[in-house]
Amino acid sequence: GAVVSQHPSRVICKSGTSVKIECRSLDFQATTMFWYRQFPKQSLMLMATSNEGSKATYEQGVEKDKFLINHASLTLSTLTVTSAHPEDSSFYICSASGGAGTDTQYFGPGTRLTVL
Amino acid sequence: GQNIDQPTEMTATEGAIVQINCTYQTSGFNGLFWYQQHAGEAPTFLSYNVLDGLEEKGRFSSFLSRSKGYSYLLLKELQMKDSASYLCAVRGAGNMLTFGGGTRLMVKP
Repeated sequence: GAVVSQHPSRVICKSGTSVKIECRSLDFQATTMFWYRQFPKQSLMLMATSNEGSKATYEQGVEKDKFLINHASLTLSTLTVTSAHPEDSSFYICSASGGAGTDTQYFGPGTRLTVL
Repeated sequence: GQNIDQPTEMTATEGAIVQINCTYQTSGFNGLFWYQQHAGEAPTFLSYNVLDGLEEKGRFSSFLSRSKGYSYLLLKELQMKDSASYLCAVRGAGNMLTFGGGTRLMVKP
């Protein structure tokens, strides 16, 4: 149980385009989903927390207008990187939890974004 | 805020035992997690401690001392496939995790 999927696994796009990444909890209802970014040889940095049906909470330094997060259902959250630039190239990982205070976060397999 | 420290790299021999330490200073504490991450892949859950003491799960054990802000992950009977990064993460309010920088473990024959 507790399987989280992400799509796509890899994406290469041109500078200035937008990219949407989907995160799905396949066998449980995820009231809370988290989006992380990881640069090479660095640890995971939390970008934002999203609760189903409400606006995402962004961490300091993360532009909410650039990284659009939608958590429309209990099994799906999307992250859209708008007007992507080469410095946005990174490994984006989502995680999901059932929402209770002690629930474990389960991670998706990640999406490797390369912006040319 | 949260401050989590762990060694950057460690090297150990196949079949041996290795201990990866993690110290933390946090404004709130609601449990400590250890994750394993292979290069280019997402983290996978290894262990969770919220009370003081040792949690054992097969070849992996994790220890927590809340009064000392200290945890360690113990890996026994090391295998080559254990070469990976090991991430210590502290859960604060709202189920949010703050990760340490990760410890890259290299297992040599």
